[in-house]
Amino acid sequence: QKEVEQNSGPLSVPEGAIASLNCTYSDRGSQSFFWYRQYSGKSPELIMFIYSNGDKEDGRFTAQLNKASQYVSLLIRDSQPSDSATYLCAVNTNAGKSTFGDGTTLTVKP
Amino acid sequence: EAGVVQSPRYKIIEKKQPVAFWCNPISGHNTLYWYLQNLGQGPELLIRYENEEAVDDSQLPKDRFSAERLKGVDSTLKIQPAELGDSAVYLCASSLEGGGSYNEQFFGPGTRLTVL
Repeated sequence: QKEVEQNSGPLSVPEGAIASLNCTYSDRGSQSFFWYRQYSGKSPELIMFIYSNGDKEDGRFTAQLNKASQYVSLLIRDSQPSDSATYLCAVNTNAGKSTFGDGTTLTVKP
Repeated sequence: EAGVVQSPRYKIIEKKQPVAFWCNPISGHNTLYWYLQNLGQGPELLIRYENEEAVDDSQLPKDRFSAERLKGVDSTLKIQPAELGDSAVYLCASSLEGGGSYNEQFFGPGTRLTVL
């Protein structure tokens, strides 16, 4: 079992819909959680981070964290074709160790 | 502010040849990471530096891979000898503070290595 698991996808949604991306992790010592977006042939770039249980909203993006269930998700509202990319979940422990999932590829169809 | 710089961007070598990658992190970033990313997979950590100290190199295949960050700024990752399975994208990233878990990582453009 991988330390960080993501839905393998691909996930396809129509333009304007909500895209839901999920991530589970195994290390209960994990402290911080990051969502990175990676366009094809490019390097990852940060979308959002979350440290506390609950929801965190930033524009069209909402990150949700449930430490008891070891689950973190990313919701993208009003999805746009430009959101089409691979979304990587990264989990950091308090020792600074960072582990990435294999990503979920999202396609937003016009 | 300049981002993370990596060179070369692309490298094609024959198996058993040596290869080296260079990374210059964002100014003031104490933590530097080297990752390997295969197609369809997430980045896998090879080594993490806090300043000039390698604090996590547990995933670095030390029989053929080596890395250094002598002055705590730029870093070099070397493979000698390269194998076919080393073909991948090698990503360098940096973050602001050492030791903490709350810092986002900034990635360089990566070096795409092809071993023939």
